[in-house]
Order: sequence, then structure tokens, then C-alpha cells
Amino acid sequence: GAGVSQTPSNKVTEKGKYVELRCDPISGHTALYWYRQSLGQGPEFLIYFQGTGAADDSGLPNDRFFAVRPEGSVSTLKIQRTERGDSAVYLCASSPGERGGGYTFGSGTRLTVV
Amino acid sequence: KNQVEQSPQSLIILEGKNCTLQCNYTVSPFSNLRWYKQDTGRGPVSLTIMTFSENTKSNGRYTATLDADTKQSSLHITASQLSDSASYICVCRSNDYKLSFGAGTTVTVRA
Repeated sequence: GAGVSQTPSNKVTEKGKYVELRCDPISGHTALYWYRQSLGQGPEFLIYFQGTGAADDSGLPNDRFFAVRPEGSVSTLKIQRTERGDSAVYLCASSPGERGGGYTFGSGTRLTVV
Repeated sequence: KNQVEQSPQSLIILEGKNCTLQCNYTVSPFSNLRWYKQDTGRGPVSLTIMTFSENTKSNGRYTATLDADTKQSSLHITASQLSDSASYICVCRSNDYKLSFGAGTTVTVRA
């Protein structure tokens, strides 16, 4: 596609539930990143994929968070047993190559845990 | 401690006026510095990107400066327009793929 697409744009879930957030990167971009942005803050790194593999998942806050990119294109961020503190905007970005370059961000998924 | 600090946190300016946003960073090693504009409910969009060897870079009414010695950058907005109302985020990249984001400066342009 022309840009990075994230779905859903908004998600409200109850505490303790499981959610999946989807990211469709720009076609051909091998690198994909997930960031989390809390209100009034800059985005914080969660995980980086190069192709199908998670090259760096050091930003994932705990084991309730998991992300996959099985075919090296679409990625899914999965959050188990959601907590109110997980409420944030989850941003996805993609770039053409291994060493970054032109990052393009999606519009994000606003997750609200009630 | 955040490696990218921005000031002011927010500012209000009248349409047509100029403003300057500041960014101090401690990211090391340093590869490049980017300024992003983020409209409410949207993802960040790149305005400028500068490596350590570049002192200034312009994109229309946006001009960014970089002093790699003092590790400071500024973003100057000339002749502001209502559409400039947004959050402006300073982002540093180290010599790998990671980006370090500042908290942003929220700019409000009023008619």
C-alpha cells in the first residue's frame, strides 16, 4: 500500500482481556518497528523486526506483550491480560532496509483498557 | 532519563509569527537527528533529517539547525499557519536502528 496501515484505529477493552493490533507496512519494507506512545510523551521503542525475525524485542515491557511477523510483511502485536497501564497509542513504522533510513509511521492504534 | 529533551513543552503563537523549538540530546553514538510533526490522532511525519556533519536543513517554512558539538538542535517555523498546530518531536538515531524520541513540543497557532 501507499502507507503504513494500522488496524483498528481505536480499541477499547476490559481489563484482563486479550487484544491484537495489526500493522500493514509499506510493501517491500523489510524493517518494521512497534512503538508505544503515552499521553504527552514521545514514542517508546517496543520491538524491531528485520524480515520475519524479531531482531530486538528489548523494549517489550513484560511477557504479556508479544509480536509476530510470520511472512515478513504484516505484523501483529499481541497483549495478554491487559492492564489499565497498557492504555496508549501503539505506533507501527516501517523502513526499507536493515539500517533504517526513511521511517514511515502509521496513524497508530489507540488502546484504552477500562 | 530520556536521552532527548525538548523545550518548551508547549507554546502558543499568533498566525504569521515565527517560533523556535529546542532539542538537547545525549544519545551516543549519534547517527542523525530528525524533526517530526505529529498531528493529533496521526503518526509522526518526518520534516527534516540531519547527520552530524550538517548544520542546517530547510523544508519549506521549517528550518532545522544542528550543533553536534553542544548536542543541540532547533526547529524554526517561519510565518506560522494554522495548519502548523501540532506536536513537534525531536528524534535521534544512534548507530543502529533505534530511534530515541523527545516528549515533543505542542505548538498552537491562533488566528
